[in-house]
Amino acid sequence: SQQGEEDPQALSIQEGENATMNCSYKTSINNLQWYRQNSGRGLVHLILIRSNEREKHSGRLRVTLDTSKKSSSLLITASRAADTASYFCATAYSGNTPLVFGKGTRLSVIA
Amino acid sequence: DAGVTQSPTHLIKTRGQQVTLRCSPKSGHDTVSWYQQALGQGPQFIFQYYEEEERQRGNFPDRFSGHQFPNYSSELNVNALLLGDSALYLCASGSTGNYGYTFGSGTRLTVV
Repeated sequence: SQQGEEDPQALSIQEGENATMNCSYKTSINNLQWYRQNSGRGLVHLILIRSNEREKHSGRLRVTLDTSKKSSSLLITASRAADTASYFCATAYSGNTPLVFGKGTRLSVIA
Repeated sequence: DAGVTQSPTHLIKTRGQQVTLRCSPKSGHDTVSWYQQALGQGPQFIFQYYEEEERQRGNFPDRFSGHQFPNYSSELNVNALLLGDSALYLCASGSTGNYGYTFGSGTRLTVV
């Protein structure tokens, strides 16, 4: 079963705009991770945020985590056409436990 | 530094056949997990191997089995293939104590 639910399912924006994707989950977690997938190929790890963290940045990425609402958001600033991909959130209830993925958000960035 | 290597990249099998998929983890990683991703869905956890033993298993039937070798590489075996087994199979490696995973590019299995 899938724990995370990303919202929206699909997002289309113009190059240069910001893209925000949300993820909700059901149970307590140790950490939450965001991955990108291009054209049904392998997943690329973007960022990990632990349950005791509220916000993390990596380049143009900003992730927030609200454990009281069991939700997270991924913000991509100044989007580029190369950001076009599917984005998945994945949760782990303890350190090395398997990841539980949502269904993903399909992001299209139009040049 | 080689990442996670999966083989083959594509595979077509007939219903009822058996298939073996292979994965070499990233250098320095000792755990290997397998995921199944149906079209338009997120990856679903199949099982995880550490120290050559299956440590955790998802909600998959016994037709799905695996193995981890002393060099940490792993195989996923699926017996009695069904049409519904058609999917992208992803291998992810990690190391104990570190929580991020490195995924391979996957094997696209089509069952006809």
